[in-house]
Amino acid sequence: ETGVTQSPTHLIKTRGQQVTLRCSSQSGHNTVSWYQQALGQGPQFIFQYYREEENGRGNFPPRFSGLQFPNYSSELNVNALELDDSALYLCASSRGPGTEAFFGQGTRLTVV
Amino acid sequence: AQKVTQAQTEISVVEKEDVTLDCVYETRDTTYYLFWYKQPPSGELVFLIRRNSFDEQNEISGRYSWNFQKSTSSFNFTITASQVVDSAVYFCALRPNFGNEKLTFGTGTRLTIIP
Repeated sequence: ETGVTQSPTHLIKTRGQQVTLRCSSQSGHNTVSWYQQALGQGPQFIFQYYREEENGRGNFPPRFSGLQFPNYSSELNVNALELDDSALYLCASSRGPGTEAFFGQGTRLTVV
Repeated sequence: AQKVTQAQTEISVVEKEDVTLDCVYETRDTTYYLFWYKQPPSGELVFLIRRNSFDEQNEISGRYSWNFQKSTSSFNFTITASQVVDSAVYFCALRPNFGNEKLTFGTGTRLTIIP
């Protein structure tokens, strides 16, 4: 059983650019959640996708958007990047409500 | 609103000592789940335990044990006979029993085990 994988592992972007981060969920998992973890902080919930539909969103602006594909992999898109978007972005997948989430190794995004 | 507080920002102990990481939470939900995750330098969050609010029994898994006290809204984590490999940041998290699976995390405790 493969785990949650994220790509790329590191990324450097310029302020104002757009970025797409990718996540392959663990086999058998239909739910994907995205989290932003700023340096020295706990992860903050961005949004969740369940069977290709958004199933909840945290306190993030609309320039943070996502997709989930039929194979349950997912993308996180961030437009008009700001310096404060620099963080570790974590993807987590689970079998569904009431089950534990398994996290990928994250994508470290640096905005300069 | 949900909130998780980990008051200990950093802890250092000598190898083989026992150490307890504190977690206090706030929620208006009557049922919920509590979690502990370990984050090594590689960045991945490693799941350690999930506890349903209905189940207040303490749990032990090898050198790890958890003390859940609903009366004080605490879910503390103890490592017995600590090892250098236990060095990491540990996060406590809370999730409602219903709805989406949004995890609310604390700010984490950085644990350093000194050889």
